[in-house]
Amino acid sequence: EDQVTQSPEALRLQEGESSSLNCSYTVSGLRGLFWYRQDPGKGPEFLFTLYSAGEEKEKERLKATLTKKESFLHITAPKPEDSATYLCAVQITSGTYKYIFGTGTRLKVLA
Amino acid sequence: SAVISQKPSRDICQRGTSLTIQCQVDSQVTMMFWYRQQPGQSLTLIATANQGSEATYESGFVIDKFPISRPNLTFSTLTVSNMSPEDSSIYLCSVSTDTQYFGPGTRLTVL
Repeated sequence: EDQVTQSPEALRLQEGESSSLNCSYTVSGLRGLFWYRQDPGKGPEFLFTLYSAGEEKEKERLKATLTKKESFLHITAPKPEDSATYLCAVQITSGTYKYIFGTGTRLKVLA
Repeated sequence: SAVISQKPSRDICQRGTSLTIQCQVDSQVTMMFWYRQQPGQSLTLIATANQGSEATYESGFVIDKFPISRPNLTFSTLTVSNMSPEDSSIYLCSVSTDTQYFGPGTRLTVL
């Protein structure tokens, strides 16, 4: 069964304290892996797409990496405004365009 | 990218009634999706709505409960029928272009 698991469920960091969020996946075929940021009461905001193992993408304090089994979202020197829920999703190659979402990591960055 | 709007942004409804949620996109797109996000949980795909064909529903979701219309390439509606408190959730519209983009969501509370 296709599955996406994110860890940790919640993470509290001090401002400037770097860390990583994990997204592990078990799918029949990977078309792409996506990271989103979701603020309370809002829809998910697209961050990155990764397509193949070894690929990396960066945006400001965020860097996403991909292996054959998992992806990491590295947050360098986070600020309070980085506080949000970070969602990982995979798109499978089953002939549809279906996305499977993980349960997310709730990040809180303290000033 | 795509800019998506949803109406209403939130509503409080009585048990047994129905609510229709509208989704408008700023460009023509082939594939539109409807998701549900229950409190504290991740996104669950309800159905895929392609213009000119019947919507494709995921396991656990049926057309009688969640009828969908897709009259053109920029618009779709989702109706939540005969509502119960268990339908209280955020309902999200999304489109797939180069990646998947989400609307702001409709927060539904059923009393």
